[in-house]
Amino acid sequence: DQQVKQNSPSLSVQEGRISILNCDYTNSMFDYFLWYKKYPAEGPTFLISISSIKDKNEDGRFTVFLNKSAKHLSLHIVPSQPGDSAVYFCAALYNQGGKLIFGQGTELSVKP
Amino acid sequence: NAGVMQNPRHLVRRRGQEARLRCSPMKGHSHVYWYRQLPEEGLKFMVYLQKENIIDESGMPKERFSAEFPKEGPSILRIQQVVRGDSAAYFCASSPLGNTEAFFGQGTRLTVV
Repeated sequence: DQQVKQNSPSLSVQEGRISILNCDYTNSMFDYFLWYKKYPAEGPTFLISISSIKDKNEDGRFTVFLNKSAKHLSLHIVPSQPGDSAVYFCAALYNQGGKLIFGQGTELSVKP
Repeated sequence: NAGVMQNPRHLVRRRGQEARLRCSPMKGHSHVYWYRQLPEEGLKFMVYLQKENIIDESGMPKERFSAEFPKEGPSILRIQQVVRGDSAAYFCASSPLGNTEAFFGQGTRLTVV
């Protein structure tokens, strides 16, 4: 039972353009969402998060949008840079401080 | 402030041996989580511990796997009688009390031959 889904295994974007990574979830009890970035042979690194009471959170080049009615969130990276090339994981919590439920990940490739 | 430290980074075990994976959380963090990433898959929750207590072990296989976080020392994930299917990357994360943002270690890559 995959409660958090990232349906695009990969995404390729030109440097300077916008990258949009999508994530869908099924459990309406989730109250906090996070995005992590992961390079090969390293652990995930926290990027940005959003509470379920908000619909947008912005941090520099990264913006996360949450659409609760559609059970959908997205991560926007503007402008994309080659150093952003990595695997991006969406994760959800329904008990703050408890376990994270991860999506399968989307591999982003930013071409120079 | 050192990050979450995991060791060893790489571990090779023969089938039937025991594997011990260690995790030292960030200073001041009292919550530890273990996740497993199988090849071509996302991270799957295994267990959530606080000092001397297991809070949630719903992701742990029923047999051969155990975890502890003693009052002193690192958290240990122990896998007895390893099988080829246990080959994976095992990640530890920690967070301070009440914080939703968990910080991950570099992981331990277990290979069972």
